[in-house]
Order: sequence, then C-alpha cells, then structure tokens
Amino acid sequence: GAGVSQSPSNKVTEKGKDVELRCDPISGHTALYWYRQSLGQGLEFLIYFQGNSAPDKSGLPSDRFSAERTGGSVSTLTIQRTQQEDSAVYLCASSSEVNQPQHFGDGTRLSIL
Amino acid sequence: GNSVTQMEGPVTLSEEAFLTINCTYTATGYPSLFWYVQYPGEGLQLLLKATKADDKGSNKGFEATYRKETTSFHLEKGSVQVSDSAVYFCALRDTGGFKTIFGAGTRLFVKA
Repeated sequence: GAGVSQSPSNKVTEKGKDVELRCDPISGHTALYWYRQSLGQGLEFLIYFQGNSAPDKSGLPSDRFSAERTGGSVSTLTIQRTQQEDSAVYLCASSSEVNQPQHFGDGTRLSIL
Repeated sequence: GNSVTQMEGPVTLSEEAFLTINCTYTATGYPSLFWYVQYPGEGLQLLLKATKADDKGSNKGFEATYRKETTSFHLEKGSVQVSDSAVYFCALRDTGGFKTIFGAGTRLFVKA
C-alpha cells in the first residue's frame, strides 16, 4: 500500500500473555520507528531501525519488550508477559532516510485486562 | 536532555477564530522542528516543518516560525474550521539524529 500499515488495529489480551505487533513500512523506506502513546500522553520513543539493525534500543521500557526487522522491511514488536501498564497505542513510523519526515501508521491499540 | 513543551488543552474555538498553539523546546545544537496532527480516528500526519532558524513552515493555512532566540515554534492559523478539530503535536529532532521528541499534544475543538 501507499502508507505505513500496522496490524492488528486493536488487540485485547489478558495480563501475562505475549503479544506481537506488526508494522509494514512504506516500500523503500530504510528507517523504521516504534513509539508508544499512552492515554493523554505524548509519544514515547521505543526503538529505531536503520535497515535491519537497531542502533538504539534505549527507549524500550523493560526487557519484556523486543523488536526485530527482517529484510529491511516488516518489523515486529513483541511484548512478553504483558502488564496492565503496557496498555497504550503503539505507533510505527517510517522514513526514506533517517533525516526525512516520518510517516505514521494508524497504530495498534493494545488493551491488557 | 532534549524536550518539547506545548500548551495544555483542550483549546476550544469558534469557527473563523484565530488559533495559536504555543510550543517551546530545549535542545543542543540546531534541531529540526515539526508539527504533526492527529485527526479523530486517524494516524499522525506531518503538518509542517522547519529545519533552521527563521524558517517558516506552512501547510493548509497553518504556519509556524522557527525562533531560536526564544526557542519557540508556535503554531498559528488565521481562521480555523470545524475540520481542523484534532490533536496537534509539536516535535523536534536533533541535527543528524534519528530520535524525534514529541510534546504531549494539544487537543483543538472548533465549534460551528
């Protein structure tokens, strides 16, 4: 498609379960970003990929969070043993190069019961 | 560290009113500055940007000028419409960096 695609759009799961969130960036975009938007808050940077590598993982909130990107395209954000405080909208963005404007997906709304 | 502070919302205006949403930043060097907009039920979209001091970004009737002396990037529009109702985020990115720092967002309601 023309834009950044994220799936699922909504995810409801029980505390303690693992979840996987998927991001399909715009074709040809080398840079990919994950953010978290909690209710009433701004965007919290989680991780950035340049190609398949992640030079900076410092934004990941805990070791329960991990992300990978394969083939320089699709990225998956995994949250293990989910907690209620993980409930948020997880946004993915991509840009053609690191210094270019980011294009955002519609996000995945994650609710932990 | 770098940070962005923008005025708290919600901001409620009548149609055709003048809009200002204040944004100030703290950063080393010469960051690039952005305004993003999130319409109801939609994802974030880049509204405008400015990459150096005194640059003016503009789009869809919105404007913001990069003021280094006051470390500000206030968003303005001369006459708002109901369709401008959205959440507006001010953001900065370090020179040569990749991490974009966002403000908390300001929700705008425009009444007919």
